[in-house]
Amino acid sequence: ETGVTQSPTHLIKTRGQQVTLRCSSQSGHNTVSWYQQALGQGPQFIFQYYREEENGRGNFPPRFSGLQFPNYSSELNVNALELDDSALYLCASSGTSGGQETQYFGPGTRLLVL
Amino acid sequence: AQSVTQLDSQVPVFEEAPVELRCNYSSSVSVYLFWYVQYPNQGLQLLLKYLSGSTLVKGINGFEAEFNKSQTSFHLRKPSVHISDTAEYFCAVIRNSGNTPLVFGKGTRLSVIA
Repeated sequence: ETGVTQSPTHLIKTRGQQVTLRCSSQSGHNTVSWYQQALGQGPQFIFQYYREEENGRGNFPPRFSGLQFPNYSSELNVNALELDDSALYLCASSGTSGGQETQYFGPGTRLLVL
Repeated sequence: AQSVTQLDSQVPVFEEAPVELRCNYSSSVSVYLFWYVQYPNQGLQLLLKYLSGSTLVKGINGFEAEFNKSQTSFHLRKPSVHISDTAEYFCAVIRNSGNTPLVFGKGTRLSVIA
């Protein structure tokens, strides 16, 4: 148990729709990172939030956006869904209590776009 | 930029036999190294990490890994595997400064055969 929770666990959407995924960080962690894991692949970095500000972004288009709230929970929003967005979305939290370098992952949200 | 190569996509091994999962990385700066395990339909669980100090790192579930800077490797080993070790294993690196993302390999599927 990492203390990182994600909701929902599964989601089915159709092309063109919008989706919001949620993540609650481990207590004491102030940094949240989001990753996309396509089937049979390793996780790919989407972006990171540190104290409510975006702190780095991977090679994902602007229709992938996020928020971090004062309690360090976070949202990932994806607009204009495409079939290739079908994947497992993982959030990871880290912070000074556990070492900024060590990221602890939640169970993920599996998104299917039809 | 950093990159990670996991040399074997699949490793079948008999129960109680030893196993080694290979990981090589590339980076122009100093990095920290991690191994994560992913059981079916679950998120990532931290197995072990190398930050500094002794190059032999022990983790959970009897796994250990050795950091070899000259060969830029971080191979994962277990002297005797169990059926319950069947999972996907991911090697990852992160720069040792700043809030930077994890860079993952493509994973190695370990299948333990009874």
